[in-house]
Amino acid sequence: GAVVSQHPSRVICKSGTSVKIECRSLDFQATTMFWYRQFPKQSLMLMATSNEGSKATYEQGVEKDKFLINHASLTLSTLTVTSAHPEDSSFYICSVSQGAGSYNEQFFGPGTRLTVL
Amino acid sequence: AQSVTQPDIHITVSEGASLELRCNYSYGATPYLFWYVQSPGQGLQLLLKYFSGDTLVQGIKGFEAEFKRSQSSFNLRKPSVHWSDAAEYFCAVGAGGNKLVFGAGTILRVKS
Repeated sequence: GAVVSQHPSRVICKSGTSVKIECRSLDFQATTMFWYRQFPKQSLMLMATSNEGSKATYEQGVEKDKFLINHASLTLSTLTVTSAHPEDSSFYICSVSQGAGSYNEQFFGPGTRLTVL
Repeated sequence: AQSVTQPDIHITVSEGASLELRCNYSYGATPYLFWYVQSPGQGLQLLLKYFSGDTLVQGIKGFEAEFKRSQSSFNLRKPSVHWSDAAEYFCAVGAGGNKLVFGAGTILRVKS
């Protein structure tokens, strides 16, 4: 399967600052990338789906101006949490896929732990 | 709307004992079902999936799962657990457009 990395693995920032999280597909042409958020003892919640070169599609309730997603190439997607606040503290996970149909398998990154002070 | 319920938050089994992790789903049509495992510091890894056909699905690492439409269940099983199986396990259902809806997860502890 595909190897997916995320950087940084953990980040601590002050309230009001912006944080960028990178998701890289190391050996896989990822036409579709997904961003999830995981709260402690809860399931992964899909935040948005992005296709290379297109605007991301956000799930209901996810603020697109708060969580900026860029999928500029087949190997890189970034999630920027703008003006972060303590309630944005969470575990953010990306996954990659070769398509958005017929349940192409998703390959997951190891996640990024964001703590906003 | 699609949903997945994993009733057990934590399960502890002895090494060598059998394992069954429960998963119930809610979905209007024939579901696409998945089991993933998450180890600390690693991404979710696909154990097995069910799309159609034989309702007993074999996966990696000796895991299997059985799809039971009448019970809306897709329970994960392993006949003999190894200490390295300790991890968090997630059941998921396909929600259209390659989206996945996950359960809350079950943390498996293995005691020696």
